[in-house]
Amino acid sequence: AQSVTQPDIHITVSEGASLELRCNYSYGATPYLFWYVQSPGQGLQLLLKYFSGDTLVQGIKGFEAEFKRSQSSFNLRKPSVHWSDAAEYFCAVGVEGGSARQLTFGSGTQLTVLP
Amino acid sequence: ETGVTQTPRHLVMGMTNKKSLKCEQHLGHNAMYWYKQSAKKPLELMFVYSLEERVENNSVPSRFSPECPNSSHLFLHLHTLQPEDSALYLCASSRGHHTEAFFGQGTRLTVV
Repeated sequence: AQSVTQPDIHITVSEGASLELRCNYSYGATPYLFWYVQSPGQGLQLLLKYFSGDTLVQGIKGFEAEFKRSQSSFNLRKPSVHWSDAAEYFCAVGVEGGSARQLTFGSGTQLTVLP
Repeated sequence: ETGVTQTPRHLVMGMTNKKSLKCEQHLGHNAMYWYKQSAKKPLELMFVYSLEERVENNSVPSRFSPECPNSSHLFLHLHTLQPEDSALYLCASSRGHHTEAFFGQGTRLTVV
């Protein structure tokens, strides 16, 4: 079975600073990888996804993530954080050829942005 | 507008009440899901309906009962809940075997 680890429970950055949120997964074959964002009291919004091909994927709101098979990682990055990026971020892994019921989510990273 | 709409957004109910959560998707998907999100815990998949056939999750107590009358609508019927059932309940949908899930905004449930 697959698993996802988000090592950082809470990260604080200043507005305008760069951001990197870590995600490590465990799965024996090629995974499908996702990053979702959740604002307080809201549902999850898909930021980006990796299925195959280019290992650097671009998402919405200026986010990108890089799939590194050798490190079993899919870290999320943004070069300059905005105050509106404060939210909780979830990494998820899916099974290749599987369905959405086989998505496994990490515990989330809470992002605080200082003015 | 995410294409997945949940009602109500907030619900407070007593332990002896019966209530239902509703989810509707306008994306043409044929799989729908209920997730439970509790504080400091990963999202827990509760139920899956694919092509209107339910995939059971045996760890969910029987006081939660899902219903999927068609591919666009999903309900979660609640009865005799416990305070520990207080959580954010999220509905999601996907296009068959495609693994990308789209989420609604959730129903914040408080059991008193």
